[in-house]
Amino acid sequence: DARVTQTPRHKVTEMGQEVTMRCQPILGHNTVFWYRQTMMQGLELLAYFRNRAPLDDSGMPKDRFSAEMPDATLATLKIQPSEPRDSAVYFCASGLEDGQPQHFGDGTRLSIL
Amino acid sequence: QKEVEQDPGPLSVPEGAIVSLNCTYSNSAFQYFMWYRQYSRKGPELLMYTYSSGNKEDGRFTAQVDKSSKYISLFIRDSQPSDSATYLCAMPLPNKLVFGAGTILRVKS
Repeated sequence: DARVTQTPRHKVTEMGQEVTMRCQPILGHNTVFWYRQTMMQGLELLAYFRNRAPLDDSGMPKDRFSAEMPDATLATLKIQPSEPRDSAVYFCASGLEDGQPQHFGDGTRLSIL
Repeated sequence: QKEVEQDPGPLSVPEGAIVSLNCTYSNSAFQYFMWYRQYSRKGPELLMYTYSSGNKEDGRFTAQVDKSSKYISLFIRDSQPSDSATYLCAMPLPNKLVFGAGTILRVKS
């Protein structure tokens, strides 16, 4: 059963440190999404890629967040410098095409002290 | 007003009960409707995916869409403790899914 794989599953670090989260989308999926989930805001879209090209990153704080897809099997989300308000669960999802169901990984639980 | 409204609950029911989960939406551009289930410390998993108005059934789950009222529902028959999770409705636009806040469901044995 194909799954989206995210690493690490948990990350605890101090404010100001760089954080890198990785995602392996389902093979053959050409759309990749990064979401952030908090109790207060629910699921928020941070960035969206189609065929490895970034199409929408309007949900990301540009000064500290960056998202890339160096190849079709790897998507990364970086935070530099990290802040306590970045503490959340970050999900990666992939899909076959626009408007179709997305398949989620189990997330990276990030805590910034 | 949010594009998708969903009562966050929590909703607590006894085992065997029929559960009704609901979302309302305001954007007429929504044509497809999805329900995701999210267990604690897991990612959302797709439960139901429907397009047209009417009912779609899958085992104990029935998704209902009323486009004229902009209202969708998920019914769970014979609810089980293993159904305890957060249920999120979601509606796709060309480059994103718009999620409801999620309803926390607890089924007591």
